[in-house]
Amino acid sequence: AQSVTQPDIHITVSEGASLELRCNYSYGATPYLFWYVQSPGQGLQLLLKYFSGDTLVQGIKGFEAEFKRSQSSFNLRKPSVHWSDAAEYFCAVGEGTYKYIFGTGTRLKVLA
Amino acid sequence: DAGVTQSPTHLIKTRGQQVTLRCSPKSGHDTVSWYQQALGQGPQFIFQYYEEEERQRGNFPDRFSGHQFPNYSSELNVNALLLGDSALYLCASSRGDTTANYGYTFGSGTRLTVV
Repeated sequence: AQSVTQPDIHITVSEGASLELRCNYSYGATPYLFWYVQSPGQGLQLLLKYFSGDTLVQGIKGFEAEFKRSQSSFNLRKPSVHWSDAAEYFCAVGEGTYKYIFGTGTRLKVLA
Repeated sequence: DAGVTQSPTHLIKTRGQQVTLRCSPKSGHDTVSWYQQALGQGPQFIFQYYEEEERQRGNFPDRFSGHQFPNYSSELNVNALLLGDSALYLCASSRGDTTANYGYTFGSGTRLTVV
């Protein structure tokens, strides 16, 4: 069965530091991959998505992600974190035509 | 341009009761999907509606049912509520002529608490 693993439940970084959030997936075919961000009490906002082509994907808010087929990974990165980036981040894989499988999320804390 | 609208934002129900949650999709979207997000977990797919029909269903019991109206809005109904049904229920809309892989737009959710 398809699955998504986010191995880090919590990550704390200082403001201005770089960030990398890990995501590993299990999927039989070429995956469709997504990163979403969720602020407390809010819904999910799409940061970026990968379908095919260039394996380095640029998203909103200065985020990027790199698809590595050999490692079954789709890690999210940001060169310099801002205090407003504190939130929960979810990686997801599109399963079939209609639904997503989400990871359990990584909660990001940013220190001033 | 209004995004996805969900109502109510919060709800408290007693075990055994029934609940109805509502969703209006983003303008131009005709497909509505529902997800359940338990505390500390990622969202889990409940089902998707397109052209007023349930198009796909996740691993949820029949107590969970839905409906889509001609204006594309949707309802999620949960019968015989259990404590374990307490969660954030998220509605997501998309266009039916594209696959879900093009990216949903999510609403802010309805927080259901069962006591």
